[in-house]
Amino acid sequence: DGGITQSPKYLFRKEGQNVTLSCEQNLNHDAMYWYRQDPGQGLRLIYYSQIVNDFQKGDIAEGYSVSREKKESFPLTVTSAQKNPTAFYLCASRVRGGNEQFFGPGTRLTVL
Amino acid sequence: QQQVKQSPQSLIVQKGGISIINCAYENTAFDYFPWYQQFPGKGPALLIAIRPDVSEKKEGRFTISFNKSAKQFSLHIMDSQPGDSATYFCAATLKTSYDKVIFGPGTSLSVIP
Repeated sequence: DGGITQSPKYLFRKEGQNVTLSCEQNLNHDAMYWYRQDPGQGLRLIYYSQIVNDFQKGDIAEGYSVSREKKESFPLTVTSAQKNPTAFYLCASRVRGGNEQFFGPGTRLTVL
Repeated sequence: QQQVKQSPQSLIVQKGGISIINCAYENTAFDYFPWYQQFPGKGPALLIAIRPDVSEKKEGRFTISFNKSAKQFSLHIMDSQPGDSATYFCAATLKTSYDKVIFGPGTSLSVIP
């Protein structure tokens, strides 16, 4: 059953703590993405990666970090430098040459 | 210039009616216009998409109308059903980079019986 897995579905952290969100895909897609979604707003791109061991900043990369050590995995770390981290985080992937991004189910992060 | 505007912010339609969501863009370099459907607590899923060389695309009850000269496009949902209740996002991507998808702010659609 191919798809994108994000875990956990809900995550609670105390202010000042770093937290890592997991994203795994078994679609054999080359490109992967992280978006942030806030109520009443569209999706905003945090980071993306077109190939293993390479990634680029999106529109709102400050306070976030990523790694791409394996093709199927693209974890996102929300650092303590992110001023307003409470949001719904979405991971997506795209096959090379394709124009559709496929989304995972999302992780809702709440920082207390 | 990279913005995609979307209206209305929310929409209530009776079952069986037509739901219409409008979007507008400025950048003429956009060459792919997808619509995504998102149910509460879920990730968005591609619903239908169009390229600017086509004025209309229909898939079942969903139709995109595209007006290249006005830089506007819209989603029509015919015979709207309660199961269509979701948030809909229009989007646009550049020919040079399908990595950068510009999303509209979304429209929350409620279809009431």
